[in-house]
Amino acid sequence: DTEVTQTPKHLVMGMTNKKSLKCEQHMGHRAMYWYKQKAKKPPELMFVYSYEKLSINESVPSRFSPECPNSSLLNLHLHALQPEDSALYLCASSPPGTGERHEQYFGPGTRLTVT
Amino acid sequence: ELKVEQNPLFLSMQEGKNYTIYCNYSTTSDRLYWYRQDPGKSLESLFVLLSNGAVKQEGRLMASLDTKARLSTLHITAAVHDLSATYFCAVDYSNYQLIWGAGTKLIIKP
Repeated sequence: DTEVTQTPKHLVMGMTNKKSLKCEQHMGHRAMYWYKQKAKKPPELMFVYSYEKLSINESVPSRFSPECPNSSLLNLHLHALQPEDSALYLCASSPPGTGERHEQYFGPGTRLTVT
Repeated sequence: ELKVEQNPLFLSMQEGKNYTIYCNYSTTSDRLYWYRQDPGKSLESLFVLLSNGAVKQEGRLMASLDTKARLSTLHITAAVHDLSATYFCAVDYSNYQLIWGAGTKLIIKP
């Protein structure tokens, strides 16, 4: 298995809803990432989990709550979002170690619309 | 401040022509990446460049890295419509963080 999967592909939610995004990989990668990408912009790093521990939180508002239940799964819990949070949310993973194998592999993304 | 600058940001070209996208970065880094993104889609890894003088080729795309000049190039040879996409370069900032260029939107006209 050489891919990162994400569900759902599309999500429309109201500002009072609670929803979750899911990401899964079975490549044995030990780092997993959440990015947010607005149209015509590069991705912005939100969170990094390394060996299932939160390593980086890029000052993301608390309405976004990440969770890494095990080495293959990454969730992003959403609550009380704002319309400006509408974006493409990308999950990525990378293998341990250095060198060429350290590149990040991206999932297909979840297109989130907050109404 | 670490910056990654790509140019041009937009490129419209005819099929069959050659062109180069440039990626300049402001500090030393061990790794530079090129990614492709189709509209509404995810990011696809194209090349990972690890050392000075590294050159990699895949089909009509060739990427190179000059760490002394802090410059990477992505060269497109005899462009075809299927290469239309946005191309991003990114540089390692730390073990997990990448600094991204703004992206180059490439449109190839028949």
